[in-house]
Formats: sequence, C-alpha cells, structure tokens
Amino acid sequence: AQSVSQHNHHVILSEAASLELGCNYSYGGTVNLFWYVQYPGQHLQLLLKYFSGDPLVKGIKGFEAEFIKSKFSFNLRKPSVQWSDTAEYFCAVKGSGDKLTFGTGTRLAVRP
Amino acid sequence: EPEVTQTPSHQVTQMGQEVILRCVPISNHLYFYWYRQILGQKVEFLVSFYNNEISEKSEIFDDQFSVERPDGSNFTLKIRSTKLEDSAMYFCASSSVSGGSSSYNEQFFGPGTRLTVL
Repeated sequence: AQSVSQHNHHVILSEAASLELGCNYSYGGTVNLFWYVQYPGQHLQLLLKYFSGDPLVKGIKGFEAEFIKSKFSFNLRKPSVQWSDTAEYFCAVKGSGDKLTFGTGTRLAVRP
Repeated sequence: EPEVTQTPSHQVTQMGQEVILRCVPISNHLYFYWYRQILGQKVEFLVSFYNNEISEKSEIFDDQFSVERPDGSNFTLKIRSTKLEDSAMYFCASSSVSGGSSSYNEQFFGPGTRLTVL
C-alpha cells in the first residue's frame, strides 16, 4: 500500500524567507509524485509533478521539488515566499492505479 | 479555463438520510474520482470511475456509497443512509487519461461539498 508523510503541519514564515516542506512516501514500485496547493476558498490545484526523468522538477509560481529515490522523499522548495503563497500544501503519490494518496497537508502562513 | 464544479457547496442532513452530491467534470474528461477529507485528516481516495464502471475503490467505499453518471455531464456520489462519521469535505476530480504506471494523468479537482451529518 502507498502512503505519504508530511512532517510540517503548520509553517509560519515572513515574506522573502525560503521554504522547504518535507514529504516522504512509501511505495514499492514506480511512483508519480505531486504537490497540490489549496488557496483559501479555492480548489486543489496542481503545483508540480514528477513523472520520470530529471528529479528536480519546476512548477508554477517559482516552486520546485526534488525527487530523491534513495530517501523516498519529494520535498517542496521555494527560495523566497510571498504573502500570496499562504495556502495549504498537499504532497501526493500515485502508484500503478489511478488513485492519489495524499499526505495530511501543511498549512503555510506568510507574514507580510 | 475549464474547471470541475460541484453542488451544493454545503449540505446539512440528518443521520440516516440519503444524500446525493453532484459534480460536473471537465467536458472532455473520461475518468472521474471522488475523494473526501474529514476535518483535520488526510484527503482520502474513495472511488474512480471510467466507462460507466467503477475501476477502483477504497475500503471506505462500502455498500452505503454508490456513484453514477446519469447523463453526459454529471457524476454523482450517493450515500444511502448517512452516519455521523460521513461528515467531511467531498471532492470530485476528473482527468482526460488514465493513470497507469507508464502514463501520467493530472486530476483536476472541484471546490468540494462540505457534508454535515447531524
């Protein structure tokens, strides 16, 4: 069975600070990895995904994530956060089927 | 930009009542999903649906739950006899392709229906 752990439940940063949100997954086979973001009152939106190839993937709004297979990790990073990045961030894994398995989410609050 | 829509945004019901949650997936998508998130917990997969059949379901998706695509645009989740523990946010999602291990699918999510069972 696949599972995802997100270690940070709440993160508070000041604008321009760097961000790294941890994500570890458990799955025995080939995985696809995703970060979704949910801005207040809005849909879950795909931020970025890893399918294959370059383990450093770039997404929208300056976010990136690095797939480290040996550590079963897919941490999300952004060098300099903005107030508009305040949202909840979900890491998700997909194995051989269609279902996404999500982590518990990390609430990010960015202080202006 | 096309998006998944869900109605109602909030549904309040009494325990034991039937509820139907409605979703309109993106129009050219063929694969449909329901997820739910109990307050403070993870987003959990319930069911995937393709070609008028369930393709995968979780252990949560028991006989109380059913899904249907009654026409060319709607995708519904029915809970026959609601329980207190069914209170959650229910998300519908759709994708244009399947997500086998050799292919990639992006699932587009709706805004959710908050179900409150009293």
